[in-house]
Amino acid sequence: DVKVTQSSRYLVKRTGEKVFLECVQDMDHENMFWYRQDPGLGLRLIYFSYDVKMKEKGDIPEGYSVSREKKERFSLILESASTNQTSMYLCASSLWGTGLGNQPQHFGDGTRLSIL
Amino acid sequence: GDSVTQMEGPVTLSEEAFLTINCTYTATGYPSLFWYVQYPGEGLQLLLKATKADDKGSNKGFEATYRKETTSFHLEKGSVQVSDSAVYFCAPSMNYGGSQGNLIFGKGTKLSVKP
Repeated sequence: DVKVTQSSRYLVKRTGEKVFLECVQDMDHENMFWYRQDPGLGLRLIYFSYDVKMKEKGDIPEGYSVSREKKERFSLILESASTNQTSMYLCASSLWGTGLGNQPQHFGDGTRLSIL
Repeated sequence: GDSVTQMEGPVTLSEEAFLTINCTYTATGYPSLFWYVQYPGEGLQLLLKATKADDKGSNKGFEATYRKETTSFHLEKGSVQVSDSAVYFCAPSMNYGGSQGNLIFGKGTKLSVKP
């Protein structure tokens, strides 16, 4: 089974801090994704990556950056945390390939981040 | 742009009742279709999928049929259990250009099943 591991289940940080959320997958997937999940808004895509050192903006990239130095690891960075970034953050991975749009994404258990 | 619409929740049912959660989508090209489930305090799990018209995905007693003519992928279960209480997400995939593999998520439908 695919395993997507997020480094923390719960995290509390202060306004203005630089925050790192880490995600590791063990199935050699090319694609990795970061979402945030908020009540009434569903899942919104922040950033995604199709390969090492590649990144693409999703729907709500403002205030975030990402890093993909190794294929299995995709980090989400809050450069200067703000209270409106309090949320549940979900990481996912999937296979890539021409005509493989039918590959499902596999999710981690999420990190519930509180910014005080 | 591409989008997905799910029926609004919460949905409250008694155990052994029949469940339908409606899902319709607009998408360029020929998307694959997924249903995900999220149990309390957990991430999303793939529940079932369908990749072409008239395909039926099924798992754990849940079913959904890919209806291309109505652009729908409704989730059904004949007899729900308390353990089915969760949030359900419909998600077509983007199948073109530089976004292959990206999913479009609905807002989710919360299901509560009472004993």
